[in-house]
Amino acid sequence: KAGVTQTPRYLIKTRGQQVTLSCSPISGHRSVSWYQQTPGQGLQFLFEYFSETQRNKGNFPGRFSGRQFSNSRSEMNVSTLELGDSALYLCASSPGLNTEAFFGQGTRLTVV
Amino acid sequence: GQQLNQSPQSMFIQEGEDVSMNCTSSSIFNTWLWYKQDPGEGPVLLIALYKAGELTSNGRLTAQFGITRKDSFLNISASIPSDVGIYFCAGEDYGGSQGNLIFGKGTKLSVKP
Repeated sequence: KAGVTQTPRYLIKTRGQQVTLSCSPISGHRSVSWYQQTPGQGLQFLFEYFSETQRNKGNFPGRFSGRQFSNSRSEMNVSTLELGDSALYLCASSPGLNTEAFFGQGTRLTVV
Repeated sequence: GQQLNQSPQSMFIQEGEDVSMNCTSSSIFNTWLWYKQDPGEGPVLLIALYKAGELTSNGRLTAQFGITRKDSFLNISASIPSDVGIYFCAGEDYGGSQGNLIFGKGTKLSVKP
């Protein structure tokens, strides 16, 4: 069974630009969550989607948004990029509304 | 808000030694999870604990859900070089959403062959 797939693996963007990251969950998993990981702040929860509905949202500005499609695939978007948005963005999926999460390899975003 | 303290921050050990790390929270949790993250990869779930006092093993790894429900520890026996990585604990006080998970800052493990 394929794991969680995130694309792209690496991305370099300029301040002010926007970016879209993609996540394909494990087949059959309906819940997808996104996290931002930085050395200083650790793993921080961004949002969670289940059956195309946002169930939970972390404490991030409105520049961070996401969505989930009917096939459970998810995207997150960051607009008006800032230097501080440089981080590893991780996607995790789970079968349903449970806590155990299976993470992808992440997308390393660098904002210059 | 809730806080979760993970210690130690880093460990340098010799191959073959046993390792112990722990997490404590300021409030009661109903779930404890332990993850390992290799450089450039996402965290991998090692052990999940759902009941106070629960002791669960996964190969050379053993984790326990503290009886007070405010702590958990992870032991690694007879460490090997591939144990190198960052170990995270995560706790949750009520179920049903990954948004309720609180992650520790991680314990960075280095193993000298």
